[in-house]
Amino acid sequence: DQQVKQNSPSLSVQEGRISILNCDYTNSMFDYFLWYKKYPAEGPTFLISISSIKDKNEDGRFTVFLNKSAKHLSLHIVPSQPGDSAVYFCAASGHDMRFGAGTRLTVKP
Amino acid sequence: DGGITQSPKYLFRKEGQNVTLSCEQNLNHDAMYWYRQDPGQGLRLIYYSQIVNDFQKGDIAEGYSVSREKKESFPLTVTSAQKNPTAFYLCASSSGGPYNEQFFGPGTRLTVL
Repeated sequence: DQQVKQNSPSLSVQEGRISILNCDYTNSMFDYFLWYKKYPAEGPTFLISISSIKDKNEDGRFTVFLNKSAKHLSLHIVPSQPGDSAVYFCAASGHDMRFGAGTRLTVKP
Repeated sequence: DGGITQSPKYLFRKEGQNVTLSCEQNLNHDAMYWYRQDPGQGLRLIYYSQIVNDFQKGDIAEGYSVSREKKESFPLTVTSAQKNPTAFYLCASSSGGPYNEQFFGPGTRLTVL
């Protein structure tokens, strides 16, 4: 039973454009959400998070939006850079933490 | 430098053998976790430990065992009872509680021949 879903396994964007990665969750008890970035053969690294009391959190080129009524969050990367190419995992936390399957982002020069 | 180390990076074992994956952290974190990653799937929790000498099963604990004798160490044993052990294994630690980000090690890719 996947409580956190990333329905797009891959996304390709041009350098300089916006990347939008989406994540849906089913458990209304989740109240803290995180995005992790993962390069091949490495462990994920924390990127940005958002609490359920907010609907937006921004850190440089990265912004996470949370729509609690839709149980949906998204990560926006503007402008996208080739170094952003990686797998991005969405995670949701309440009693414990659950991860989505990941979206592979490719930023083309 | 503070961080999490996992060794070895690649591990090969024959079917039917038990194998232990190492995870060490010097971040002074109370909580440690083991995840398994398979292609097309998210990180699935195997076991976690919130404190020394205590641990709980995650979603896919069958065929695995752990110990937490020291705060810094959380080794994972993949036993012969695990039906599909070939996977990428990730260890993580955090300050504890569900609102703290987890810090991950580099992972161990286990291949059972």
